[in-house]
Amino acid sequence: DTGVSQDPRHKITKRGQNVTFRCDPISEHNRLYWYRQTLGQGPEFLTYFQNEAQLEKSRLLSDRFSAERPKGSFSTLEIQRTEQGDSAMYLCASSAQVDGANVLTFGAGSRLTVL
Amino acid sequence: GEDVEQSLFLSVREGDSSVINCTYTDSSSTYLYWYKQEPGAGLQLLTYIFSNMDMKQDQRLTVLLNKKDKHLSLRIADTQTGDSAIYFCAERAPGTYKYIFGTGTRLKVLA
Repeated sequence: DTGVSQDPRHKITKRGQNVTFRCDPISEHNRLYWYRQTLGQGPEFLTYFQNEAQLEKSRLLSDRFSAERPKGSFSTLEIQRTEQGDSAMYLCASSAQVDGANVLTFGAGSRLTVL
Repeated sequence: GEDVEQSLFLSVREGDSSVINCTYTDSSSTYLYWYKQEPGAGLQLLTYIFSNMDMKQDQRLTVLLNKKDKHLSLRIADTQTGDSAIYFCAERAPGTYKYIFGTGTRLKVLA
């Protein structure tokens, strides 16, 4: 297993376009998270899946954002009608219990630039 | 509130000890975590501590937890240039599945 994979690593798009990011978690992890990180800030929670069920979604997330995990394996995050404020690094993480602690393993991220 | 606070910058000389501090919000947090982020990369777990412990040591890393003051610290002994990175503390928000990360402390190690 190569860890958490994210694709694409970089995406440049024009304002108003739709973009989709994909995350492939570690295969035995049933928990999956999406976070957003802007420059100089810590990761900000977007949404959480347990298997295919989306159990939590940030109130900060507008209805332009949608995430899916159809078969409980890979996940996609779609942003519709992108705005310049959406420019950020989008991080995916999956997790497993280690000695009772829920340890998140992050991917390298997908960097979005909206022109 | 849900703010996890950290100082923004720390600069140390190679070979010295580094101490990175964090103040968290939820006294019921079961585990508290430290992550490291190198340029252009995702976050990597360094260590974590269970809330009924005051201290945890893992090679060059020592975590101290003061539950009364909701204060967490990470000490790196014999700091090396490869330790230069951003360090985040994190806790799980009460009653949710989400983990809250601090703003990060940028550690710069001078040769």
